[in-house]
Amino acid sequence: GAVVSQHPSWVICKSGTSVKIECRSLDFQATTMFWYRQFPKQSLMLMATSNEGSKATYEQGVEKDKFLINHASLTLSTLTVTSAHPEDSSFYICSAVGDNYGYTFGSGTRLTVV
Amino acid sequence: RKEVEQDPGPFNVPEGATVAFNCTYSNSASQSFFWYRQDCRKEPKLLMSVYSSGNEDGRFTAQLNRASQYISLLIRDSKLSDSATYLCVVNTGTGNMLTFGGGTRLMVKP
Repeated sequence: GAVVSQHPSWVICKSGTSVKIECRSLDFQATTMFWYRQFPKQSLMLMATSNEGSKATYEQGVEKDKFLINHASLTLSTLTVTSAHPEDSSFYICSAVGDNYGYTFGSGTRLTVV
Repeated sequence: RKEVEQDPGPFNVPEGATVAFNCTYSNSASQSFFWYRQDCRKEPKLLMSVYSSGNEDGRFTAQLNRASQYISLLIRDSKLSDSATYLCVVNTGTGNMLTFGGGTRLMVKP
């Protein structure tokens, strides 16, 4: 079946630094990738939708200059949290959709900003 | 009003019990519906799709009522391993986007 690899699984960084999270579709071409964020005891909230080769579409309230998304190829999308602050600490999950492949989630990245 | 609403629970049930979760959605144009299961600190995993005619997969039965914009999940003969958060998920058909409910937490006790 379809597999999406996301890494790192967890990361601790200092406040003010940037963190890059990668999401790769291993055995299919992901025409669309979604980035979600989940705070403790809350549901997944869509942050942005990215299509290969075009700019990401951000949900209301998500700062595009803070959460940089790049979807340069059909198998890779990256999310960079710039100038991270403690309130950015969360569980970030990507999901990929491809032709003949439904939603496949990455395993998530737990970000802790100290 | 949230687009997809669920009772957050937790539902504490003994092993072997039957438990039902409900979900309502606000967008009448929604096209496809799913139940996902999420374990603590893990990604959601698809449990089953939900069809208008209702569908069953082993101990799990899902129902959809489009007129009432209501989705349900029934779990029979609960196992300890069923303990998780169950997410009601709706695809409105706009750009393949999924909207997640807040999840219902289930705890099955021995």
